[in-house]
Amino acid sequence: AQKITQTQPGMFVQEKEAVTLDCTYDTSDPSYGLFWYKQPSSGEMIFLIYQGSYDQQNATEGRYSLNFQKARKSANLVISASQLGDSAMYFCAIQHGNKLVFGAGTILRVKS
Amino acid sequence: DTEVTQTPKHLVMGMTNKKSLKCEQHMGHRAMYWYKQKAKKPPELMFVYSYEKLSINESVPSRFSPECPNSSLLNLHLHALQPEDSALYLCASSQELSFVDGSSYEQYFGPGTRLTVT
Repeated sequence: AQKITQTQPGMFVQEKEAVTLDCTYDTSDPSYGLFWYKQPSSGEMIFLIYQGSYDQQNATEGRYSLNFQKARKSANLVISASQLGDSAMYFCAIQHGNKLVFGAGTILRVKS
Repeated sequence: DTEVTQTPKHLVMGMTNKKSLKCEQHMGHRAMYWYKQKAKKPPELMFVYSYEKLSINESVPSRFSPECPNSSLLNLHLHALQPEDSALYLCASSQELSFVDGSSYEQYFGPGTRLTVT
């Protein structure tokens, strides 16, 4: 069975600085997908970035990049130049068959 | 347009009531999902529809009844709920069921319905 671990319950970052949110996973499938979602206090889950297990390069989307280390089974999210609007819950998720399995999440607070 | 809409935004219902949650997408997506999320927890999958047919039921109690009238609409009918069913109910859609032909498709979520059962 697939499993996602996010070890940081909460993180603080100063505005305009970069922050890394950790995610490790466990799967026996050779083919899988990894996702990061952002959930503000309003509740909506916002898709941020995707990494396929066969992708050779780390995924990037604007200020978001995914530090994919396949051998270590880690898929950390890096947010550059943090903004106040980045304050939210962040979930890492892995594809499990036709299902998304989410980690416990990390609450990020950006300080001005 | 990557919008999934859900109505109502908030719902308070008694344990003997019958109500429905609605979800709509106009992105041409063929897979739609219902999730339940308790406070400070990750979403938990409830149901998956693919091409308007129920594909996955995660052993959800029968007091929750999903319905997919067409490819754009997904309903969740509620009957005789318990207070512990109070949660945020999220709808999502994706182009296809994820991991078809080895591809992963991102799921787009709606804003959710905050349900309180009294």
